[in-house]
Amino acid sequence: GQNIDQPTEMTATEGAIVQINCTYQTSGFNGLFWYQQHAGEAPTFLSYNVLDGLEEKGRFSSFLSRSKGYSYLLLKELQMKDSASYLCAEILDSSYKLIFGSGTRLLVRP
Amino acid sequence: GAGVSQTPSNKVTEKGKYVELRCDPISGHTALYWYRQSLGQGPEFLIYFQGTGAADDSGLPNDRFFAVRPEGSVSTLKIQRTERGDSAVYLCASSSPGLTNEQFFGPGTRLTVL
Repeated sequence: GQNIDQPTEMTATEGAIVQINCTYQTSGFNGLFWYQQHAGEAPTFLSYNVLDGLEEKGRFSSFLSRSKGYSYLLLKELQMKDSASYLCAEILDSSYKLIFGSGTRLLVRP
Repeated sequence: GAGVSQTPSNKVTEKGKYVELRCDPISGHTALYWYRQSLGQGPEFLIYFQGTGAADDSGLPNDRFFAVRPEGSVSTLKIQRTERGDSAVYLCASSSPGLTNEQFFGPGTRLTVL
C-alpha cells in the first residue's frame, strides 16, 4: 500500500542479525503490525506495537517510533527457515482493516 | 479445526463466469475480513464483517464483488462476470476483540481467471 514503505528484498547469513525497516503514514495511526509469510502460505502474526519502544519476543523484536512514523523488525540468530516475506501493516483511526506494505523478501544464506 | 479454513484452495475459471469463495473463521471470532493478494504485493483489504453485517466494504473494487456472512460465522465472497485482472490469492482472516486485534489468516484461495 502507498501508506507503507519497506525494502523489497534483503539477504543475510545464517546466525546473523537483520533489521527490516518500515515507514508508515502517521495521520490517524492506531497500531503497527508485523507478519511473516512463507511462499504460498498465509501470513502469520509476529508483533503488534502501538506505543513507542521495543517489544521483544524470543529471537524477534519490533520497535516503534510514533513521532518518526518508523518501525523495524529485528531478527536475531537467523535460521534458514526465516527465509520469507515480512509484511509491515498499520491500522488507522478506529478502523480494524490492516493496510499492508508490499513486504520485504528475506533470503537467509548458509 | 483450530484455524481459519478456506475453500476451494484453488479455483480456475473462465472470463465472464461467476465464482464463490468460502471462509470458515475461528470459532467464536466475531470479526471477519477479506483481503486480496497479488504476486509480490502485500494483502489488500476488501471488506470487514462484525457479526452478520458488513462494517466496512470500502475495499471492494466494484459492484461485481459482493460478500455475505448470514449467520455471523461462515462468509462467502462472490465475484460476478470475472475478469482476468481478478486473478489473485483471496485471503480471509478473523479476529476477536482484544488488546492486540491480531488477525488470524486462512491459507487463501488462489483464483485464476483464464
